[in-house]
Amino acid sequence: DIVMTQSPDSLAVSLGERATINCKSSQSVLHNSQSKNNLAWYQQKPGQPPKLLIYWASSRESGVPDRFSGSGSGTDFTLTISSLQTEDVAVYYCQQYYSSPWTFGQGTRVEVK
Amino acid sequence: QLQLQESGPGLVKPSETLSLNCSVSGGPIVSGASHWGWVRQPPGKGLEWIGTIYWSGTTYYNPSLKSRVSISVDTSNNQFSLRLTSVTAADTAVYYCARVPSPPSSWGSLDYWGQGALVIVSS
Repeated sequence: DIVMTQSPDSLAVSLGERATINCKSSQSVLHNSQSKNNLAWYQQKPGQPPKLLIYWASSRESGVPDRFSGSGSGTDFTLTISSLQTEDVAVYYCQQYYSSPWTFGQGTRVEVK
Repeated sequence: QLQLQESGPGLVKPSETLSLNCSVSGGPIVSGASHWGWVRQPPGKGLEWIGTIYWSGTTYYNPSLKSRVSISVDTSNNQFSLRLTSVTAADTAVYYCARVPSPPSSWGSLDYWGQGALVIVSS
């Protein structure tokens, strides 16, 4: 199985400041024939299901604010919230869909400082 | 707008079978653009992919659960189902159903989710 490791486990950021979450996979999730990284990011607020934010590592899902961006390739990925808003307080998960079983990171909790 | 809704018993006894349905509305379950999946989340913990099904019946399961899990589709009622046998307390979780875009879209991501159903395994 591909192990997904996120860092940090939690972070506190001031409103309007940048939040950066890292995700590292135990093996590359770059699909060479597609030249795409099979990695997604989700946001989960308390009592709600996860919400897809980013797929193919850097493609923003429709309706997701442009302050959310994804980057990285191979085994190292980053989710950036460029200017933290109150409504962004949540747990964020990365997920690889390169190979079965699809696996998730342990989650990163983002709070307001 | 696609909507998914889980339903089923919220309490299951150890060693028995967990059964959940997912009703899909706002779009057909018979679609070349969609697969359908289940993900679970133990209370206070992370996410675990359980399995995925295509309307034709083709299934993909997490090997860690494969011996106990079965996912089926009911095209006439636009729903799909999860069965997990021989449950233990470790199977206590919120179970989510979700849509998985078919290839060549982002196959493996989950873009529409149900609200989740909490299933507690206890005698």
